[in-house]
Amino acid sequence: SQTIHQWPATLVQPVGSPLSLECTVEGTSNPNLYWYRQAAGRGLQLLFYSVGIGQISSEVPQNLSASRPQDRQFILSSKKLLLSDSGFYLCAWSGTSGANVLTFGAGSRLTVL
Amino acid sequence: QQQVKQSPQSLIVQKGGISIINCAYENTAFDYFPWYQQFPGKGPALLIAIRPDVSEKKEGRFTISFNKSAKQFSLHIMDSQPGDSATYFCAAIGGSQGNLIFGKGTKLSVKP
Repeated sequence: SQTIHQWPATLVQPVGSPLSLECTVEGTSNPNLYWYRQAAGRGLQLLFYSVGIGQISSEVPQNLSASRPQDRQFILSSKKLLLSDSGFYLCAWSGTSGANVLTFGAGSRLTVL
Repeated sequence: QQQVKQSPQSLIVQKGGISIINCAYENTAFDYFPWYQQFPGKGPALLIAIRPDVSEKKEGRFTISFNKSAKQFSLHIMDSQPGDSATYFCAAIGGSQGNLIFGKGTKLSVKP
């Protein structure tokens, strides 16, 4: 069966520090991968998605970047965090055929102080 | 054209009551409509989904009603329980839209 892992689960970072969130998927190959952000009490904002290694599409211009160095690995990064980067970050995957059902990871809670 | 409008933003229901969340869309090319359930501090999980060739889909206490002509769909939770307290997101996908479009979410609180 397919599983999605996301870490770290929680982190507190000072303004101006770098960020790296990692997501891996097991049990499938060539998945579509996604990064979403959810501000407190708000909806789901799609940040990046990837249909293959090295292929990244950005939905919202911002202080963040994404990379896909391996087929089932998706990384969200920032060189210098802003206060506004605080939020709940969710990685998700979907298959490449049929219904585009998203399966989400457990999320990473980022607090920028 | 690509939006999915969800209402209400929040909902309080007594235990045993019916919870109803509504969504509306504009893009007639959408052909798959899932609902996600998210508990605090967790990622959303697929709850139930429907395609526009049926008007209703039921799974246990959860029912999706779909009105293709009105471009609306809704989630009904029968006999609501405190354990149903969560945020619910409707979504849609289809046509040239390759990624799910989510509604803004409804926070449901079921009071004992």
